[in-house]
Amino acid sequence: EIVLTQSPGTLSLSPGERATLSCRASQSVSSGYLAWYQQKPGQAPRLLIYGASSRATGIPDRFSGSGSGTDFTLTINRLEPEDFAVYYCQQYGNSPAWTFGQGTKVEIK
Amino acid sequence: EVQLVQSGAEVKKPGESLKISCKGFGYNFPNYWIGWVRQMPGKNLEWMGLIYPGDSETRYSPSFQGQVTISADKSITTAYLQWSSLKASDTAIYYCARLLVYTNGWYGDYWGQGTQVTVSS
Repeated sequence: EIVLTQSPGTLSLSPGERATLSCRASQSVSSGYLAWYQQKPGQAPRLLIYGASSRATGIPDRFSGSGSGTDFTLTINRLEPEDFAVYYCQQYGNSPAWTFGQGTKVEIK
Repeated sequence: EVQLVQSGAEVKKPGESLKISCKGFGYNFPNYWIGWVRQMPGKNLEWMGLIYPGDSETRYSPSFQGQVTISADKSITTAYLQWSSLKASDTAIYYCARLLVYTNGWYGDYWGQGTQVTVSS
């Protein structure tokens, strides 16, 4: 079973700065099948990125995903106040696919 | 517009049964898998299982097999998650999600708003 490790656990940044979040898999993720979700307090998760780099419907272009194999990155350019949240990665290229990464919290510095 | 609308918060006692729901709008409900996700207080997201409403094929995470039952009624575009005997450790928020399913996995592209389940004596 693939284990996803996200780093850092918490990222403290100011609005306007760039956020770089990492998701590392214990084995290569087949076909780059990796998704990123955003979860704000008291809200459901929201799909941001699928297929490692494709933005979901309605997601602003300041969000971008990259990576392949075992190393994946979510970049948020010019942080907006509404971007401060917890971000989770999830792989769907290798069975079993039951788990998420443990999350990275992006907080206001 | 695709929407998943979940039933409201529940407060139950240990040993009681419970069935929560997730109603889909704005898409062809039978043709998309629905997954259920648990989030315990302050904790990570966990996939519990999924169902294909078209034929009710169901898959469970090993962690939840035998602990819950997932079902669906395509005629009313609704999926369900149920417990026969709740425990305090079932206290969590439960989300449903519409899934895009691939050979070895899936991801959720639309999510319900969540149902808070509290189990306390």
